[in-house]
Amino acid sequence: NAGVTQTPKFRILKIGQSMTLQCTQDMNHNYMYWYRQDPGMGLKLIYYSVGAGITDKGEVPNGYNVSRSTTEDFPLRLELAAPSQTSVYFCASSSLRTGQRNTEAFFGQGTRLTVV
Amino acid sequence: AQSVTQLGSHVSVSEGALVLLRCNYSSSVPPYLFWYVQYPNQGLQLLLKYTTGATLVKGINGFEAEFKKSETSFHLTKPSAHMSDAAEYFCAGMKTSYDKVIFGPGTSLSVIP
Repeated sequence: NAGVTQTPKFRILKIGQSMTLQCTQDMNHNYMYWYRQDPGMGLKLIYYSVGAGITDKGEVPNGYNVSRSTTEDFPLRLELAAPSQTSVYFCASSSLRTGQRNTEAFFGQGTRLTVV
Repeated sequence: AQSVTQLGSHVSVSEGALVLLRCNYSSSVPPYLFWYVQYPNQGLQLLLKYTTGATLVKGINGFEAEFKKSETSFHLTKPSAHMSDAAEYFCAGMKTSYDKVIFGPGTSLSVIP
């Protein structure tokens, strides 16, 4: 299994540009998450999803949008990039199913985004 | 709301010394708890996890953690630090098996030769 795959690994955007960070998982996990990690800081939750068609805001959702049309994919959209969105973005997934104990969150390798 | 706190944003230890990274949680019920490690320029990987059962949990690379309900703690320890242990460590938890994962702010571990 590939686990959680994020693309691209690196990207430089100009202010005002838009882009989509892709995340896909092949573990049939129902929970998926997007975090950002700023230098020397911990993880901040941007958005999460408990299943296809269901998304919810995390701590820092402003400037981002998500969708969850399938179990596997959870793309993160930046509509008008700003320098404050320069960060490393991590996608993660975990399994929460009735009658089963939760598993830990599995992480992608991250996308390093710079907005100039 | 549930929270996870980590005491000390930066910890330095000498090579061969004991590693102790602190984690406390707030929850009305015994939670599921995790420790993750992040090496420079890499993603997070699971070190160990506590769900139910034995309160002393052993993980990879010689790390272990003990769940202490009375202290609401889940501290991470390793008897002897190695240079390769230098990394960022995150404690995480969830209140129930139907909850999302909440991360602590992280502790950066430096190992001094």
